[in-house]
Amino acid sequence: DADVTQTPRNRITKTGKRIMLECSQTKGHDRMYWYRQDPGLGLRLIYYSFDVKDINKGEISDGYSVSRQAQAKFSLSLESAIPNQTALYFCATAGGGDGNTIYFGEGSWLTVV
Amino acid sequence: SQQGEEDPQALSIQEGENATMNCSYKTSINNLQWYRQNSGRGLVHLILIRSNEREKHSGRLRVTLDTSKKSSSLLITASRAADTASYFCATRETSGSRLTFGEGTQLTVNP
Repeated sequence: DADVTQTPRNRITKTGKRIMLECSQTKGHDRMYWYRQDPGLGLRLIYYSFDVKDINKGEISDGYSVSRQAQAKFSLSLESAIPNQTALYFCATAGGGDGNTIYFGEGSWLTVV
Repeated sequence: SQQGEEDPQALSIQEGENATMNCSYKTSINNLQWYRQNSGRGLVHLILIRSNEREKHSGRLRVTLDTSKKSSSLLITASRAADTASYFCATRETSGSRLTFGEGTQLTVNP
């Protein structure tokens, strides 16, 4: 089983719809992240959380919100999806003595039409 | 703008050859990491080099870091077709706790 699990893996949604991407991890890490990947732009940080009560904006948080429901769960929401939010989204975790290394989920392809 | 910038953007070599990718960054860092991504998949951590280290090895991987030039290189020796992937450098700045990724180098190893 994967250490970092994202659902759904693929989703097509319409402009204006609310969409939630969920992430759960079994590594026991405190730190969780949401990244977005667009072709040619690498990964950009949307939000990150260092524990359940700590939520921080990343480089491109506009249009997104997050919820850290538990240490193991971190969800990303698009309240009103728009086409330029079409991208590959990654959840990731880091923590403990190995806090410098990030472990990624397999990604969620989101298409907004 | 991205903290790390990889060079070249794309690299195509023959199996058995060595592949070298470079990364430049802008600010002081705590460490620099290299990740690999197979097409459409999650990134996988390859190697981490700390700011007080100059060279590190892991199997067929060799990473160097020159903090005076704010640059790093990743060398993959005796490449294999299975090494075909995108490779990203990521930096952890001394002033922050986030990891910032570059735009990646697409490596193609032809059999």
